[in-house]
Amino acid sequence: QVQLVQSGAEVKKPGASVKVSCKASGYTFTSYYMHWVRQAPGQGLEWMGIINPSGGSTSYAQKFQGRVTMTRDTSTSTVYMELSSLRSEDTAVYYCARQFRAFDIWGQGTMVTVSS
Amino acid sequence: EIVLTQSPGTLSLSPGERATLSCRASQSVSSSYLAWYQQKPGQAPRLLIYGASSRATGIPDRFSGSGSGTDFTLTISRLEPEDFAVYYCQQYGSSPQYTFGQGTKLEIK
Repeated sequence: QVQLVQSGAEVKKPGASVKVSCKASGYTFTSYYMHWVRQAPGQGLEWMGIINPSGGSTSYAQKFQGRVTMTRDTSTSTVYMELSSLRSEDTAVYYCARQFRAFDIWGQGTMVTVSS
Repeated sequence: EIVLTQSPGTLSLSPGERATLSCRASQSVSSSYLAWYQQKPGQAPRLLIYGASSRATGIPDRFSGSGSGTDFTLTISRLEPEDFAVYYCQQYGSSPQYTFGQGTKLEIK
């Protein structure tokens, strides 16, 4: 079945970087754009950016420009989201989501905690 | 950037009642690119409605979406116990236009 499986929870110190993975299965990886969305504790959904798994092109929300990098590995059908210069406000659940008729398939989420 | 404002913030209803959730955009949104999601505690969001009014695969027909321009509505015709959750609208036209509303919490009265 179509699914996105994300990497496990992370705990990082302020100033560090985190890299979250999202492995796709059950469909043609290169045929659908992938997005990253985050959700701080008790808060709403915040769109971070998009990657085209076919060519690797990306577009990021202005808020994250310069701090986020999205990449993909077509050999393993995996997309990655790396966020640098972490601060406490980056503590959140990070989701990957496939775009087909809006965001139709979501990963299970990865909790990233930033704490000294 | 288009800002989506959802109302009410919290809606208290009983099972069997009708729920009407609103999403208002700061500028016109193409109806082709307005979606609604349901999120339960500890779970990822689930796509309910895309294109303002089309139900996603497997979504019961008690969920319906309507609207155009700047005003959109999600209606749940007859609430089931499993429908109590947080609902988000989203416009997904093109980068950087993938914004979400702040959410409406639908709680049991």
